[in-house]
Amino acid sequence: NAGVTQTPKFQVLKTGQSMTLQCAQDMNHNSMYWYRQDPGMGLRLIYYSASEGTTDKGEVPNGYNVSRLNKREFSLRLESAAPSQTSVYFCASMPSRETQYFGPGTRLLVL
Amino acid sequence: GDSVTQMEGPVTLSEEAFLTINCTYTATGYPSLFWYVQYPGEGLQLLLKATKADDKGSNKGFEATYRKETTSFHLEKGSVQVSDSAVYFCASAGGTSYGKLTFGQGTILTVHP
Repeated sequence: NAGVTQTPKFQVLKTGQSMTLQCAQDMNHNSMYWYRQDPGMGLRLIYYSASEGTTDKGEVPNGYNVSRLNKREFSLRLESAAPSQTSVYFCASMPSRETQYFGPGTRLLVL
Repeated sequence: GDSVTQMEGPVTLSEEAFLTINCTYTATGYPSLFWYVQYPGEGLQLLLKATKADDKGSNKGFEATYRKETTSFHLEKGSVQVSDSAVYFCASAGGTSYGKLTFGQGTILTVHP
């Protein structure tokens, strides 16, 4: 039981490049979430998926898209990366009301 | 919308000192409240939680009591250890934002021997 896994762990992009951050969970959780973590700002919700086949915007969705590929996987895509998207990205999943389990994070640097 | 405010850090303590990290929240309805901990280079781990007023969450010597009258959920530990050095996040969920966590900005704790 690996819990929540994320790939890659670290990525450097140039402005305008695209990439997809991958997240998978093996706990059969219905809900999955993408957050970004920036110094002094805590974690902010980008997108979430309450169940397979549904996605909704969070607090800071601009510049991102998501895909809930199946119950296990929830990917985050940056179509045209910008320096403002330099951050640490966390994926989380939730089995029932309110206790979320987090992945180890992806550190992204956009030059 | 919902919001969570934590005391500003960083907090630096000597081993065996008493720890308090303040947290207050605003929410419509009755949210559940959480403390998460993030050790260097890792993701967030749930430390403790409380789901209704006057509940006390506890784990690893840490405690926090859900105070509805003061809208607070302060984290305390009687005697900190070097291994407690981490970033601590207060969070709320429920109320009008079912299933979505709202985080405070995080408090960096450093404990010296």
